[in-house]
Amino acid sequence: AQSVTQPDIHITVSEGASLELRCNYSYGATPYLFWYVQSPGQGLQLLLKYFSGDTLVQGIKGFEAEFKRSQSSFNLRKPSVHWSDAAEYFCAVDNNAGNMLTFGGGTRLMVKP
Amino acid sequence: EPEVTQTPSHQVTQMGQEVILRCVPISNHLYFYWYRQILGQKVEFLVSFYNNEISEKSEIFDDQFSVERPDGSNFTLKIRSTKLEDSAMYFCASGREREKLFFGSGTQLSVL
Repeated sequence: AQSVTQPDIHITVSEGASLELRCNYSYGATPYLFWYVQSPGQGLQLLLKYFSGDTLVQGIKGFEAEFKRSQSSFNLRKPSVHWSDAAEYFCAVDNNAGNMLTFGGGTRLMVKP
Repeated sequence: EPEVTQTPSHQVTQMGQEVILRCVPISNHLYFYWYRQILGQKVEFLVSFYNNEISEKSEIFDDQFSVERPDGSNFTLKIRSTKLEDSAMYFCASGREREKLFFGSGTQLSVL
């Protein structure tokens, strides 16, 4: 069965600093990988996804993620964090292009001024 | 910008009662989903719905659960006889394509 692990439950970074959120997955075949963000009182918003091709994918709000098959990872990065990035971030995997997502436990990002 | 709307935002019910959680997906979307998140746990897939029928469902989605798209605009999740462990945040999602879903802000269900 597929699974997703986000090792960091909470992360605090200073505004303007770089950010990397970790995601490791377990899946037998080529996975479809997603990152979602949830701001307080909001639904989950898709940041980016990887299906195939270039292993570095660009998303909205200046985020990017890199698929590394050898490490079973799909880490999310942003070169310079803004206060509005404070939210909870979820990594997800699916075997069928998003039809049945398996989510990680989430990482709550706090941004210091 | 169009969005998925869920009502109510918070519902409280007594154990054993039936509840219906309502969702209005984005109008031209074809794929519909329910997910839930029990406090402190991961977001879990419940069911997907396409072409007026269930396309996938998880082990959680047992006979106590049902979904319906009664009038072409609403998408509902019914829990026939609620249990304490059904307390969770329930998220509706829709997509014109499966790989890009839009989620609602959720209904917090509290079963007492």
